Amino acid sequence: KAGVTQTPRYLIKTRGQQVTLSCSPISGHRSVSWYQQTPGQGLQFLFEYFSETQRNKGNFPGRFSGRQFSNSRSEMNVSTLELGDSALYLCASSLYLHRYSNQPQHFGDGTRLSIL
Amino acid sequence: AQSVTQLDSHVSVSEGTPVLLRCNYSSSYSPSLFWYVQHPNKGLQLLLKYTSAATLVKGINGFEAEFKKSETSFHLTKPSAHMSDAAEYFCVVSVDSGNTPLVFGKGTRLSVIA
Repeated sequence: KAGVTQTPRYLIKTRGQQVTLSCSPISGHRSVSWYQQTPGQGLQFLFEYFSETQRNKGNFPGRFSGRQFSNSRSEMNVSTLELGDSALYLCASSLYLHRYSNQPQHFGDGTRLSIL
Repeated sequence: AQSVTQLDSHVSVSEGTPVLLRCNYSSSYSPSLFWYVQHPNKGLQLLLKYTSAATLVKGINGFEAEFKKSETSFHLTKPSAHMSDAAEYFCVVSVDSGNTPLVFGKGTRLSVIA
């Protein structure tokens, strides 16, 4: 069974640009969550999608947005990039919304975004 | 509110000696607890999970953790460290209530010395 796939693995952008990251969950998983990982702040929750609807959102500005498609694949978009957006962005999938079960999340290898 | 505190940011052990990574949690509800490992430039891999069944949980690669409610702890142990265990370890708490997302600890970097 294929794991969570994130594309691209590495990305370099400049300030002010926008970027879209993609995540394909494990087959059959309907929940997709996004996290930002930085050395200073650690792992921070961005948002969770289930059945094409955002179900939960972390404390990030509106420049960060996402969506989920009918096949459960998800995209995350960041507009007007800032230097502080440089991070590893991780996607995780699970069968259900995590708050309704104790199913663990399965993580992809992430997209490393560097802002110049 | 819930929180997770990993008591050591860095632990260094010699190959073949025991590993202890400490985690304390705070939760208003009965929590689920997880340990994940992250190798360089990789995502997080689940080591083990506690979900209110047995308090001693066995995971992959010889790791285990014991849930101690009285001490609000969920420490990760391994009897004998291997070089391949060198990585970052995260303790995570999940509560099946409301819209609270997963809460991650800051991580503990494990170094294994030959």
